[in-house]
Amino acid sequence: SQQGEEDPQALSIQEGENATMNCSYKTSINNLQWYRQNSGRGLVHLILIRSNEREKHSGRLRVTLDTSKKSSSLLITASRAADTASYFCGGGGSNYKLTFGKGTLLTVNP
Amino acid sequence: DAGVIQSPRHEVTEMGQEVTLRCKPISGHNSLFWYRQTMMRGLELLIYFNNNVPIDDSGMPEDRFSAKMPNASFSTLKIQPSEPRDSAVYFCASSLMDFGYTFGSGTRLTVV
Repeated sequence: SQQGEEDPQALSIQEGENATMNCSYKTSINNLQWYRQNSGRGLVHLILIRSNEREKHSGRLRVTLDTSKKSSSLLITASRAADTASYFCGGGGSNYKLTFGKGTLLTVNP
Repeated sequence: DAGVIQSPRHEVTEMGQEVTLRCKPISGHNSLFWYRQTMMRGLELLIYFNNNVPIDDSGMPEDRFSAKMPNASFSTLKIQPSEPRDSAVYFCASSLMDFGYTFGSGTRLTVV
């Protein structure tokens, strides 16, 4: 399956700093998706990057995709306390199925 | 649209009882997914449907688990009989093709 594995498991930064999280996957994908989960809530879709794209931006988010290395990164710029959450990635294939890793727990300290 | 609606939000049941979790996907979405989340195992995909048809149930842990999608607007996940190790948060998600998932708020299941 197009499993996503996030790295690091935990990341703690100060408000205003940038946060970078990485994702690796195992098989060919059509797209790579990032999600955020606040404690006790469902996952929220952040951004999708297709396999023929190398970089994508959405507000303070920047996602890169390297299909040769089967990896992706999520950069959050100028982080805020409200960005504190777990972040998950999933690789989407032709069957639309996503499997996730255990996520990166980001803590942004005020 | 109200998003993906799951019920109940919380369920506490005794071991051996039947548990039914419910999900209403977003209207127009053609895929529906059931996930289970625990600290130990993370997010596990249990089963997914495409156009109401079960496509892959390889993640269903045991025969005690079953899922149905009788129509495009409703799905159930049933555990019978329930066991303490089934305690987890169960999420339902829906999508239209590969445009990203919308998750429900989850059902927190506790089996005592």
